[in-house]
Amino acid sequence: GQNIDQPTEMTATEGAIVQINCTYQTSGFNGLFWYQQHAGEAPTFLSYNVLDGLEEKGRFSSFLSRSKGYSYLLLKELQMKDSASYLCAAPQGAGGFKTIFGAGTRLFVKA
Amino acid sequence: SQTIHQWPATLVQPVGSPLSLECTVEGTSNPNLYWYRQAAGRGLQLLFYSVGIGQISSEVPQNLSASRPQDRQFILSSKKLLLSDSGFYLCAWTNGQGVKLFFGSGTQLSVL
Repeated sequence: GQNIDQPTEMTATEGAIVQINCTYQTSGFNGLFWYQQHAGEAPTFLSYNVLDGLEEKGRFSSFLSRSKGYSYLLLKELQMKDSASYLCAAPQGAGGFKTIFGAGTRLFVKA
Repeated sequence: SQTIHQWPATLVQPVGSPLSLECTVEGTSNPNLYWYRQAAGRGLQLLFYSVGIGQISSEVPQNLSASRPQDRQFILSSKKLLLSDSGFYLCAWTNGQGVKLFFGSGTQLSVL
């Protein structure tokens, strides 16, 4: 089957580090994406992993383990503006044309 | 550079009325086009995608339909809206297989 699971909500403190986990089951693997979505807005691309390991991009990093069907998004030096939903997503099928999303993790950053 | 336009931003429609949401992409050719719906506090549900003019794949049986009359135009329609059609509708495009999505600004649809 095709399934993407991630926690519903997380809370963290400004300046801290938070890790958002995602487990997935896909029909054919075409990489794993993370998007950020602020309330009432469209999602925006954060990161893409197609090989195992850690991809670092500024304060945000994303990790992938294909054998475990597992990814995480790491946010460092949290800022209030990081309060948003974080969506784990994976293109499905042989052509990878269909991207399926997890339900998203709502992150609340408190002062 | 590529841009995606989606309108209207908000829409309030009575139950049983028709719907037409339009999305256009500029600055690229032969994009893959998508319609997603997001219920309040929920994830994105893929409704339709298209890899070319006149080619529509439907993901979920429902009260909606999609059309692609031109290469960079994608339209979401309904003949008679239901209460359950309320949600945040997002158009998106990619330029290949398994690559990142670029989203339009979304349409918040309320069916009353």
